[in-house]
Amino acid sequence: DTAVSQTPKYLVTQMGNDKSIKCEQNLGHDTMYWYKQDSKKFLKIMFSYNNKELIINETVPNRFSPKSPDKAHLNLHINSLELGDSAVYFCASSRRSGGELFFGEGSRLTVL
Amino acid sequence: QQPVQSPQAVILREGEDAVINCSSSKALYSVHWYRQKHGEAPVFLMILLKGGEQKGHEKISASFNEKKQQSSLYLTASQLSYSGTYFCGTEIGNNDMRFGAGTRLTVKP
Repeated sequence: DTAVSQTPKYLVTQMGNDKSIKCEQNLGHDTMYWYKQDSKKFLKIMFSYNNKELIINETVPNRFSPKSPDKAHLNLHINSLELGDSAVYFCASSRRSGGELFFGEGSRLTVL
Repeated sequence: QQPVQSPQAVILREGEDAVINCSSSKALYSVHWYRQKHGEAPVFLMILLKGGEQKGHEKISASFNEKKQQSSLYLTASQLSYSGTYFCGTEIGNNDMRFGAGTRLTVKP
């Protein structure tokens, strides 16, 4: 059983399109995150949620909209995709703030 | 706001030792260390919660100097399997985990 699962694993799309990435964790954790990892491997926090409530929104363009329908799921919708959005997006969860992070396998987004 | 890691990259021969440093301009309450292998997700190695605490994981250990706002990761007698990018993470606020830029470690036979 995968603890944190993301779908899809790969996304190739054209500029201007809209896409979504889904994340689910079966660990019973309260906190979930989205991180963006660029080509230089830098892991940048985008959003964090605690029990479905948005806690951190780190200067991400409003083309990115997270949604947490329940505490086990955190989805990411991206409108009007741009070339600079190409990256690997990681979902992660932790039992509590400051606890060990469990990462999903990542979703590699390529915008052409 | 994210921690600063050094060095950016290290190349070792099997059996050699390495130290990776992590520092922050903000007060640190805990430091996390993760390792990411190529094409995979970051994996948790350890967390240090108290000032001056040292923890170990196989031949990988770490120290945390709360006063200096620094942590160091020690890899002794490195193995090929240690290759990857190492990240330190610090929590700067509630549910706000920030990572350093990473240190790329390559272990050669």
